[in-house]
Amino acid sequence: KAGVTQTPRYLIKTRGQQVTLSCSPISGHRSVSWYQQTPGQGLQFLFEYFSETQRNKGNFPGRFSGRQFSNSRSEMNVSTLELGDSALYLCASSLGLQGSEAFFGQGTRLTVV
Amino acid sequence: AQSVTQPDIHITVSEGASLELRCNYSYGATPYLFWYVQSPGQGLQLLLKYFSGDTLVQGIKGFEAEFKRSQSSFNLRKPSVHWSDAAEYFCAVGAVQNYGGSQGNLIFGKGTKLSVKP
Repeated sequence: KAGVTQTPRYLIKTRGQQVTLSCSPISGHRSVSWYQQTPGQGLQFLFEYFSETQRNKGNFPGRFSGRQFSNSRSEMNVSTLELGDSALYLCASSLGLQGSEAFFGQGTRLTVV
Repeated sequence: AQSVTQPDIHITVSEGASLELRCNYSYGATPYLFWYVQSPGQGLQLLLKYFSGDTLVQGIKGFEAEFKRSQSSFNLRKPSVHWSDAAEYFCAVGAVQNYGGSQGNLIFGKGTKLSVKP
């Protein structure tokens, strides 16, 4: 079966702009989670969506937002980009049930200049 | 607060040697624990997970991990390392507000980079 697809794979944006990242989960998966990975902070949880509702949220500013559509595809938006937002953004999908495994996409590499 | 510590940033082992990667966690109750591996430019792949029951957990690629509640540890082991095991390894715990251990909200350690000498 097809894996988790994240688009685009690479992005270069200018400080102050906004960006939207997309994640298509594995068919049948209802949970999508987003993580930010940087060399300094490591992997940090952004938020999780389950059946179009945000179920969990990490400790990130309001500039980071997301949503999930009825087909479980998810988007993440970052407004007013800062240099520190440069990171690998990873999406993970799962059935969202107790014990279900999360499958990660290859990520979107965002560079803010 | 929940946290995960991986004390070793970088480990180098010879091919064929045994491996142990350390992981310590801070958590108030019985945790959900995971080990993931990340190759360069790739996403994360789940190696194994512990929810309850037998404290020795078998995973993919010949890896195993042992949950020790008294030491708050969940160390990853492999008896004989292959060159293809070179990657970065992450230990993670399911956060307390997580829905029933669904892995939707994980707290990761900073990772241990494994290099393998021929």
